[in-house]
Amino acid sequence: KQEVTQIPAALSVPEGENLVLNCSFTDSAIYNLQWFRQDPGKGLTSLLLIQSSQREQTSGRLNASLDKSSGRSTLYIAASQPGDSATYLCAVPGSGNTPLVFGKGTRLSVIA
Amino acid sequence: DVKVTQSSRYLVKRTGEKVFLECVQDMDHENMFWYRQDPGLGLRLIYFSYDVKMKEKGDIPEGYSVSREKKERFSLILESASTNQTSMYLCASSLSGGDGYTFGSGTRLTVV
Repeated sequence: KQEVTQIPAALSVPEGENLVLNCSFTDSAIYNLQWFRQDPGKGLTSLLLIQSSQREQTSGRLNASLDKSSGRSTLYIAASQPGDSATYLCAVPGSGNTPLVFGKGTRLSVIA
Repeated sequence: DVKVTQSSRYLVKRTGEKVFLECVQDMDHENMFWYRQDPGLGLRLIYFSYDVKMKEKGDIPEGYSVSREKKERFSLILESASTNQTSMYLCASSLSGGDGYTFGSGTRLTVV
């Protein structure tokens, strides 16, 4: 059964720092991986979708990488801003390509 | 942009009531999903549907049912609400397998 782990569970950094969020998954037979952002009490906003044939995707200050063979992904945030404060969730398809399975997220606080 | 609309942001219901949570997407997506999100447990899959009139149980279907009479609408039904169904409910859709998910803004349900 697919399991997704995100480390760290929480992170607090000063504004302007570059940071890395980690995601690992147990079943590497995935066709994509998706990173989401969630603000308190709100729904999920998709940040990046990486197909299994890709190694990374970039959107603005965000860069996500995927290493299927090792079951890992990282989300790199450059020059962090207070507005980046949110919970970041990683998700991959379940075993047998069933619906997305989510990690429990990393709660990020960027301090001005 | 695809829009997934959940009819209520906040809902308060009494124990034993039958509760309907509605979700509508506007981009002709094939797949629709219902998750619930609880502190410490993350997102858990309740039901999903890959086609009209089709439904599949997720990881925690007990106490719930669903209806998908039209492609754009996927309803979650709590047959007899209980306090342990107090949660954030999140609906999502995707075009097909391999595509990213788009989430609605969530419904915070409180059962008293």
